[in-house]
Amino acid sequence: AQSVTQLDSHVSVSEGTPVLLRCNYSSSYSPSLFWYVQHPNKGLQLLLKYTSAATLVKGINGFEAEFKKSETSFHLTKPSAHMSDAAEYFCVVSDPAGRRALTFGSGTRLQVQP
Amino acid sequence: GAGVSQSPSNKVTEKGKDVELRCDPISGHTALYWYRQRLGQGLEFLIYFQGNSAPDKSGLPSDRFSAERTGESVSTLTIQRTQQEDSAVYLCASSLEPTSGAVRQYFGPGTRLTVT
Repeated sequence: AQSVTQLDSHVSVSEGTPVLLRCNYSSSYSPSLFWYVQHPNKGLQLLLKYTSAATLVKGINGFEAEFKKSETSFHLTKPSAHMSDAAEYFCVVSDPAGRRALTFGSGTRLQVQP
Repeated sequence: GAGVSQSPSNKVTEKGKDVELRCDPISGHTALYWYRQRLGQGLEFLIYFQGNSAPDKSGLPSDRFSAERTGESVSTLTIQRTQQEDSAVYLCASSLEPTSGAVRQYFGPGTRLTVT
């Protein structure tokens, strides 16, 4: 069984300040982990994915995430927030031994204040 | 190239009616998934098709929900005798054959279903 916990339902930052969106996972196997972003009235877009090649993963739009097995975490960060980053972010786990479907966290809504 | 498309984009129906949602995956993608996203929540897996294998229906919430896929193309999700708790955005995703869990899924824009 696998699960994902996003520790914050809402995060508010000021433009130009760092972003931290927290995610903890649980998986019986070595998981594949993803972050997806969903802008209002738009479809889900893949930000980045971890597949055991490197623990620090760089994604699009300046986002990156670090896989920490000892902490079972996969937090998403960005050094400087932009207004266009305001969206819903989902941490996602895929269990290679399972049915290939994705297990989504409940989401974190990021607000960026001017 | 064309992405995953879904129709209709919005559907309002009365309680008790049947609805049919359509998904056109990316050409060449053998895997197709349906998810449901209730307001303010993450996505829930519903059903998974992979090639000619029997679909994984383990996420379907009740026997009112069913889905079909014709070969490796269009899929339809049918909800019979809709209830208000069925109101959600229904998302379809497709991918290449998932030889590992790391294969990226491409999502459609979703169908917003409102049951009144």
